[in-house]
Amino acid sequence: GEDVEQSLFLSVREGDSSVINCTYTDSSSTYLYWYKQEPGAGLQLLTYIFSNMDMKQDQRLTVLLNKKDKHLSLRIADTQTGDSAIYFCAENPPDTGRRALTFGSGTRLQVQP
Amino acid sequence: NAGVTQTPKFRVLKTGQSMTLLCAQDMNHEYMYWYRQDPGMGLRLIHYSVGEGTTAKGEVPDGYNVSRLKKQNFLLGLESAAPSQTSVYFCASSYPGLAGDTQYFGPGTRLTVL
Repeated sequence: GEDVEQSLFLSVREGDSSVINCTYTDSSSTYLYWYKQEPGAGLQLLTYIFSNMDMKQDQRLTVLLNKKDKHLSLRIADTQTGDSAIYFCAENPPDTGRRALTFGSGTRLQVQP
Repeated sequence: NAGVTQTPKFRVLKTGQSMTLLCAQDMNHEYMYWYRQDPGMGLRLIHYSVGEGTTAKGEVPDGYNVSRLKKQNFLLGLESAAPSQTSVYFCASSYPGLAGDTQYFGPGTRLTVL
């Protein structure tokens, strides 16, 4: 994941909003994704955004995309203890025909009661 | 639908031993992938397949081989395991053009090479 960068750790209190940031490098990626990984489990897709969109909202999740700065963020409203997990952003660059994803190293979200 | 399943869930090998990891999906997906996940790192692509009988190298293919004899199965082989291959291995599948080319992941196989 050297092409996609994320901060390693974020701690918030239950009920607050969480914002997880990601910087990607391939401006030709078609889609950008957010995945969630709980301990000992595989990756679960949270949401994705098409590269020609600026924002996507899905219940408590809001994704913002700034193509000029190659910056992607995930906001979780009213964060709950069940949101504690590692969050990965990913892009689908053209080097594998957009068939495989390039992942960031993940942001560990800790939600304190 | 079981989605994407992986066997085994855990395995311990000695250096030089061989093994095969099996991935199966029941979603009729065309594309399948093998990734490895190491501590503090994101997932890195090992090999992938865009259809039955086809495979291609990813970012970190050395020491691994794959086969896709049936559309629903994607096998990852280690011919001579090395400690550097200690990792968690994830399989994924996707259907082109479906839901943003979303990849669906299996639960992972934790492999330790002593």
